[in-house]
Amino acid sequence: AQTVTQSQPEMSVQEAETVTLSCTYDTSESDYYLFWYKQPPSRQMILVIRQEAYKQQNATENRFSVNFQKAAKSFSLKISDSQLGDAAMYFCAYKSGGGADGLTFGKGTHLIIQP
Amino acid sequence: DAGITQSPRHKVTETGTPVTLRCHQTENHRYMYWYRQDPGHGLRLIHYSYGVKDTDKGEVSDGYSVSRSKTEDFLLTLESATSSQTSVYFCATRDAAYEQYFGPGTRLTVT
Repeated sequence: AQTVTQSQPEMSVQEAETVTLSCTYDTSESDYYLFWYKQPPSRQMILVIRQEAYKQQNATENRFSVNFQKAAKSFSLKISDSQLGDAAMYFCAYKSGGGADGLTFGKGTHLIIQP
Repeated sequence: DAGITQSPRHKVTETGTPVTLRCHQTENHRYMYWYRQDPGHGLRLIHYSYGVKDTDKGEVSDGYSVSRSKTEDFLLTLESATSSQTSVYFCATRDAAYEQYFGPGTRLTVT
């Protein structure tokens, strides 16, 4: 079974600075997808960014980017120019390619933004 | 947003009573999912559906059953609720690009 590990239960960053959230995963498959979800206090799960394993280029969405290291099975999220609205729980998730099964989530990282 | 609603949004029930949570989607997505979220565990998959009347178990399926009689509705039933099933329950759908869209969640308390 696949596992996803987020080793940082909590991170704190000053507003306008850059922070990196870590995620590692374990799989024997070659075809898979990785995601970062944000969960603010409203509880809504919001997709931040996704990465297809077959793509070598790291995904970027505005201030959010990933560092995807396939051989190391690492998928970190970098948030640049942190804003107060970025404060939330962040979950890393894995999905095997093909198949109907759901996502495997890490336990989450609580991101605090210091004004 | 994928137009996913969950009902009820909050529920308090007693141990041993049956409970049904409803998920409704308007996007005609084939795949639907039920997850539970507990402190320190992230989200864990309970059951999923890959079509009308087609369902399968996830990681934490014991004590839960599901049904899908229409594409738009996916029901999660706790046959006899226990305190260990106190949790926040999320429904999700999936599009062809593997992106999942989540409902707002249901907070269930079993006393």
